[in-house]
Amino acid sequence: SQTIHQWPATLVQPVGSPLSLECTVEGTSNPNLYWYRQAAGRGLQLLFYSVGIGQISSEVPQNLSASRPQDRQFILSSKKLLLSDSGFYLCAWKTTGPGDTQYFGPGTRLTVL
Amino acid sequence: GENVEQHPSTLSVQEGDSAVIKCTYSDSASNYFPWYKQELGKRPQLIIDIRSNVGEKKDQRIAVTLNKTAKHFSLHITETQPEDSAVYFCAASRGGKLIFGQGTELSVKP
Repeated sequence: SQTIHQWPATLVQPVGSPLSLECTVEGTSNPNLYWYRQAAGRGLQLLFYSVGIGQISSEVPQNLSASRPQDRQFILSSKKLLLSDSGFYLCAWKTTGPGDTQYFGPGTRLTVL
Repeated sequence: GENVEQHPSTLSVQEGDSAVIKCTYSDSASNYFPWYKQELGKRPQLIIDIRSNVGEKKDQRIAVTLNKTAKHFSLHITETQPEDSAVYFCAASRGGKLIFGQGTELSVKP
């Protein structure tokens, strides 16, 4: 069966510091991968999605970036965090092809102070 | 692009009553409409979904209806229980990209 992991689970970072969040998927090949941000427990905002290694589509212009160095690994990064970057970051995957269901990882709660 | 509006933002019902949450979407090409339930501090979990070639789908106490002409879809929960309390999200998708509504906080009072 497929599983999705995210780490770290929680993170407290000072303003201006860098960020790296990691997401990995097991039990499937060539998944579509997604990064979402959820502020204040409501409204999932799609940040990035990827249909393959090295292929990243950005949905929202901001100080975040994403990379997909391996088939089942998706990384969210920032060079300098802002206070507004605080939130719950969720990674999701779905199979390629006609299936549309997305499955979410456990999330990373980021607090920028 | 796609825009999804969800109402109400909060809903409080008595245990055993029914709850209805409504969503509208803007892109007539959207063809997949999932509903997720999110408990406090947890990840969203898919509870039911419907595709554009179907008008209604039911799974035990949960049902979803879709009106393609009006571009709206609804979640119906019957015989609500306290464990149904959570935030519910609708979403619309075309080509694998989900656009979410803002969520409905459902509270079921025993």
